[in-house]
Amino acid sequence: QQQVKQSPQSLIVQKGGISIINCAYENTAFDYFPWYQQFPGKGPALLIAIRPDVSEKKEGRFTISFNKSAKQFSLHIMDSQPGDSATYFCAASPKAAGNKLTFGGGTRVLVKP
Amino acid sequence: DVKVTQSSRYLVKRTGEKVFLECVQDMDHENMFWYRQDPGLGLRLIYFSYDVKMKEKGDIPEGYSVSREKKERFSLILESASTNQTSMYLCASNPSRQNPEAFFGQGTRLTVV
Repeated sequence: QQQVKQSPQSLIVQKGGISIINCAYENTAFDYFPWYQQFPGKGPALLIAIRPDVSEKKEGRFTISFNKSAKQFSLHIMDSQPGDSATYFCAASPKAAGNKLTFGGGTRVLVKP
Repeated sequence: DVKVTQSSRYLVKRTGEKVFLECVQDMDHENMFWYRQDPGLGLRLIYFSYDVKMKEKGDIPEGYSVSREKKERFSLILESASTNQTSMYLCASNPSRQNPEAFFGQGTRLTVV
């Protein structure tokens, strides 16, 4: 049973376009929602993260939108670049469990030049 | 920069062998984690540790054990490797229960034949 469901599994976007990845969760104890970026042959690296006390967080071209009532959060990549081509994972963790992360299934993003 | 180092990038082992995967972090982090990564399933937690000599089961601990004799080192042990343990294994650490940002190693791709 996957506690964090991520969609789509893959995404192709033109350079300059917007990439949108969605995640939904069930566990209301989750209180930390990071997104990780992974390039081939590398481990995942933290991209951006949000707590449920805010509805949006922006860092450069990357924005997390968070909807607590719907138990959903999403990653928007604005002005997508070929260098953004990677696999993206959403994750969630409950503070009470010591920040043990539960990951979504991943989205492979390809940005075409 | 935080560095999480996994001892091997690629390993090929035979069915029934005992396999050791080693992970070392250099930032005095309290928490360490072992995940396996499979296409479409994201990262799944095998075991984690909050302190030296302490371990807790994650979501898929069957067939695995761990050892944490020193704070900086966390080992994953496959007692008797099986073909269904062919996967990418990722080690991660984070500073403390209060600081959830996790840092990952580059991964070990294990093939069991």
